[in-house]
Amino acid sequence: EVQLVQSGAEVQKPGESLMISCKASGYSFSSYWIGWVRQMPGKGLEWMGSIYPGDSDTRYSPSFRGQVTISADKSIATAYLQWSSLKASDTAIFYCARHLRPARPEVIFDYWGQGSLVTVSS
Amino acid sequence: DIVMTQSPDSLAVSLGERATIKCKSSQSLLYSSNNKNDLVWYQQKPGQPPKLLIYWASTRQSGVPDRFSGSGSGTNFTLTISSLQAEDVAVYYCQQYSTIPITFGQGTRLEIK
Repeated sequence: EVQLVQSGAEVQKPGESLMISCKASGYSFSSYWIGWVRQMPGKGLEWMGSIYPGDSDTRYSPSFRGQVTISADKSIATAYLQWSSLKASDTAIFYCARHLRPARPEVIFDYWGQGSLVTVSS
Repeated sequence: DIVMTQSPDSLAVSLGERATIKCKSSQSLLYSSNNKNDLVWYQQKPGQPPKLLIYWASTRQSGVPDRFSGSGSGTNFTLTISSLQAEDVAVYYCQQYSTIPITFGQGTRLEIK
């Protein structure tokens, strides 16, 4: 059974750094792109970027390039989303999600993590 | 960026009746090499992550009830629920994967009348 299990809720202060994780199981982690999606409170979905763990090829939305870092450790089947300096406007739920077809970058998300709520407040 | 516009923003339909949600893209999503449209539909229930319903505009994901169907091509797409069930109450999103940045519609909230 494919599962994506994300790290828990975080409360951070502006300016702090943060890394959240997405642990995959039930499939070949290296063979499927995995992406991150932001959902701000009461709002819609925004694609942030995706990574291919097999070779760490990473594609970012221009809106998020330079604001976050997406990475993956295929030895432990885990993807990461990282901030170096959080802002209050980063408050949101962040989802990781697997792309549908192995080795294909087209962004069709078939399995989703449960979401990680990040709250940034002074 | 490709702008995805859904209509309506919210919709109330009686149980057993048909629900229709539209999605319009600012550029064609038809990929000429395979004659497929790079469009997905998701369903999101409160407190849950989205669920994949339809991809390639009309291919139903495994396990999705056949009352859900997708149609359209180019810039105009439709998600149809043929006979609304209580468990279909959710927000529905379209998403294009033709061009980076990947973009979603604003969502359509579906309720029971």
